[in-house]
Amino acid sequence: LAKTTQPISMDSYEGQEVNITCSHNNIATNDYITWYQQFPSQGPRFIIQGYKTKVTNEVASLFIPADRKSSTLSLPRVSLSDTAVYYCLVGDRSYSGGGADGLTFGKGTHLIIQP
Amino acid sequence: DAGITQSPRHKVTETGTPVTLRCHQTENHRYMYWYRQDPGHGLRLIHYSYGVKDTDKGEVSDGYSVSRSKTEDFLLTLESATSSQTSVYFCAITPGMNTEAFFGQGTRLTVV
Repeated sequence: LAKTTQPISMDSYEGQEVNITCSHNNIATNDYITWYQQFPSQGPRFIIQGYKTKVTNEVASLFIPADRKSSTLSLPRVSLSDTAVYYCLVGDRSYSGGGADGLTFGKGTHLIIQP
Repeated sequence: DAGITQSPRHKVTETGTPVTLRCHQTENHRYMYWYRQDPGHGLRLIHYSYGVKDTDKGEVSDGYSVSRSKTEDFLLTLESATSSQTSVYFCAITPGMNTEAFFGQGTRLTVV
């Protein structure tokens, strides 16, 4: 059973705010939500992580409703260089051994920014 | 940038030959991961390690083995390479499970 569900692709334009929503209906009490960005021929890069409510850093904001069954990554005023694949992950940060899912990525959302 | 290095960066090998990819870190992070990435499949976890000599399987572990004899090195071995293992392989490290991950530059492996 997939832990997260996100749109396969999205389009937007330069200067717009882009919101990518991720569904995680079976999120567990100790799970955190993490987003990564990946450019072609590169490894993913951490964007933001949160547990509840809102988290903001210099790159993005992460909105998490009270039930935590979904989350929204918000990219303010995107540019062409934000064209990338964005991955949403959920996982237990308190876990310390084997037998877990590891750091599991899905297929991500391919975001295309047009001029 | 986090100190994580993959070697080799590119390799072409023949079907049936053994291949070992190396991931080296200088961050002293506890967790290390190996992924493969193929068009249309995103990143798929092969194996991960949660400490020296402690490893576990990921979703696509068949045909792969790993070893971690010291904190800084995580080796991925294809005992007998097949064409289906042609892929880009990424290594990642994290200080804890599901904390911020840092990825290597990737290894492009072609099995002919």
